[in-house]
Amino acid sequence: DTEVTQTPKHLVMGMTNKKSLKCEQHMGHRAMYWYKQKAKKPPELMFVYSYEKLSINESVPSRFSPECPNSSLLNLHLHALQPEDSALYLCASSQATGEVNEQFFGPGTRLTVL
Amino acid sequence: GESVGLHLPTLSVQEGDNSIINCAYSNSASDYFIWYKQESGKGPQFIIDIRSNMDKRQGQRVTVLLNKTVKHLSLQIAATQPGDSAVYFCAENRGTYKYIFGTGTRLKVLA
Repeated sequence: DTEVTQTPKHLVMGMTNKKSLKCEQHMGHRAMYWYKQKAKKPPELMFVYSYEKLSINESVPSRFSPECPNSSLLNLHLHALQPEDSALYLCASSQATGEVNEQFFGPGTRLTVL
Repeated sequence: GESVGLHLPTLSVQEGDNSIINCAYSNSASDYFIWYKQESGKGPQFIIDIRSNMDKRQGQRVTVLLNKTVKHLSLQIAATQPGDSAVYFCAENRGTYKYIFGTGTRLKVLA
């Protein structure tokens, strides 16, 4: 199984809502990533977890809260978002050997903030 | 600031022709580069990678060339097919787990 799954596929939320994005992989990868991708732009790294610990936070606003409850799951909790946070949120995973490793991406969650 | 960028935002090629997609990078310390393909409604898909100790690497119908002197990367696709239509990104490794994507090129294959 070389698939990264993400739910939901689409999400519309108001600025006062709290929602969560979910990501799952069963490839035994111990590094998991969140990227944000605006329309016609490249993915931008947000967070990286390795061995369920936060390794990288690219100065992301606190209204985005990542969580890695186990080696297969990655969540992104959303609260008090702004309309400019509307984007495609991509999850990826890779081996965590410390060497450069191929990342496997999920299809993304398309988020709209009203 | 440092960036990874592309020269052409859109490239149109005739089916069966070869495609060349270019990428310029500015961090001379980068030692690993990846090309991704992103189709509409999907996440990026790994195509091919290259380390800085190489100047060429070939895959199935794809070749990546790396010119460290001018900090330039290119992706060559042989005999371009309609299924190759997508946005192509180069990405640069900037440390453990950290990848910076270039701005992307849309490849359109004309029948």
